[in-house]
Amino acid sequence: ENVLTQSPGTLSLSPGDRATLSCRASQSVSSGDFLWFQQKPGQAPRLLIYGASNRATGIPDRFSGSGSGTDFTLTISRLEPEDFAVYYCQQYSSTPHTFGQGTKLEIK
Amino acid sequence: EVQLVESGGDLVQPGGSLRLSCAASGFTLSSQWMHWVRQAPGKGLVWVSAINHDGGYKSYADSVKGRFTVSRDNARNTLYLQMNSLRAEDTAIYFCVRGDWGSGYWGQGTLVTVSS
Repeated sequence: ENVLTQSPGTLSLSPGDRATLSCRASQSVSSGDFLWFQQKPGQAPRLLIYGASNRATGIPDRFSGSGSGTDFTLTISRLEPEDFAVYYCQQYSSTPHTFGQGTKLEIK
Repeated sequence: EVQLVESGGDLVQPGGSLRLSCAASGFTLSSQWMHWVRQAPGKGLVWVSAINHDGGYKSYADSVKGRFTVSRDNARNTLYLQMNSLRAEDTAIYFCVRGDWGSGYWGQGTLVTVSS
């Protein structure tokens, strides 16, 4: 199983700050099979980034994804109040299709 | 508009059974793989099962293998998850997800609670 480890577990920042979230895989992942999601309480996950670096439809350009192989990063350039949520990475290069444990982005 | 609507979640006793449904609309179900993903209260996302276009290939997480069965009725545009021998640790919201992960189509989920 390809284990995805996200860091940090919790990130405390203020609106306007830059956020950098990391996801490290235990085995190499094809960039085309790597995603980032945002989830708010009581809601289904919302796709932010597909193919490691492509923004999904309607996602603001302050969100960007990068990385390859085993190391991937989600960057939010200037945090807006609505960005405080939990973020998950996911790979589907291999079965089981694993998710990271999540990074909670909270208001400082 | 693509929609995925789960149903069938309920409170069930340990050892019991439940069948979840996922009604798909806005696209041709038979053209897509489909997945089930679950999320225990306050926890992260866990992939549960996948099924290919015609149901000829099915895959399961180790934690549910032998207890859960995924199936589909393309004529009824519906995906199913039959859950047997339920355990407390199966308590979660269950989401159905369209198989092209990069499209981002998820249902809103249905809550399964396993408790005596």
